[in-house]
Amino acid sequence: AQKVTQAQTEISVVEKEDVTLDCVYETRDTTYYLFWYKQPPSGELVFLIRRNSFDEQNEISGRYSWNFQKSTSSFNFTITASQVVDSAVYFCALSGSSGSARQLTFGSGTQLTVLP
Amino acid sequence: DGGITQSPKYLFRKEGQNVTLSCEQNLNHDAMYWYRQDPGQGLRLIYYSQIVNDFQKGDIAEGYSVSREKKESFPLTVTSAQKNPTAFYLCASSKPQGATEGIQYFGAGTRLSVL
Repeated sequence: AQKVTQAQTEISVVEKEDVTLDCVYETRDTTYYLFWYKQPPSGELVFLIRRNSFDEQNEISGRYSWNFQKSTSSFNFTITASQVVDSAVYFCALSGSSGSARQLTFGSGTQLTVLP
Repeated sequence: DGGITQSPKYLFRKEGQNVTLSCEQNLNHDAMYWYRQDPGQGLRLIYYSQIVNDFQKGDIAEGYSVSREKKESFPLTVTSAQKNPTAFYLCASSKPQGATEGIQYFGAGTRLSVL
């Protein structure tokens, strides 16, 4: 069985602060994918990143960066110099690599509020 | 523009009534999914379909039904057997191969409430 835990239910920061959203996962698969999605108040989930279990390189995209550590089963997401527009619910998710294992298992989400 | 269209945006159900949520995609994706989201919670999988005329139950399929007669369409029916249908419903689709394989792209969702 797969499981994704996002222990932080809500986080509030002031604009321009850095913030890290934690994600811990459990899986018995040797090959799997990890994802982050953003859900703004409008409700639609927006894809941010996908990571293959064989690729532990950290990734940076603008103000966003992701730290994947297989040893601790974690895939954390950092927003640098946060902005009000970053306010949203962020979901971490996990899937297998083939067939029905491609179902996404979601964490319960972290509500990020960036205050002006 | 390619994307996933869900309709209606808001839907109200009376006691004992079946209602159908529409999901259409023009991304040429093979796989389609339905999720339910309750306040403060993550998404839970209701049904998914990897190919036309085939679909599988997800974690919370009871009280729901689907069909997949066309590649572009994956409607979800919330039946009267679903006793607590109030939730936000999200439809998604994905490709099984290629650079974007396994990435699920989502529609804007339908909010269903019980009258």
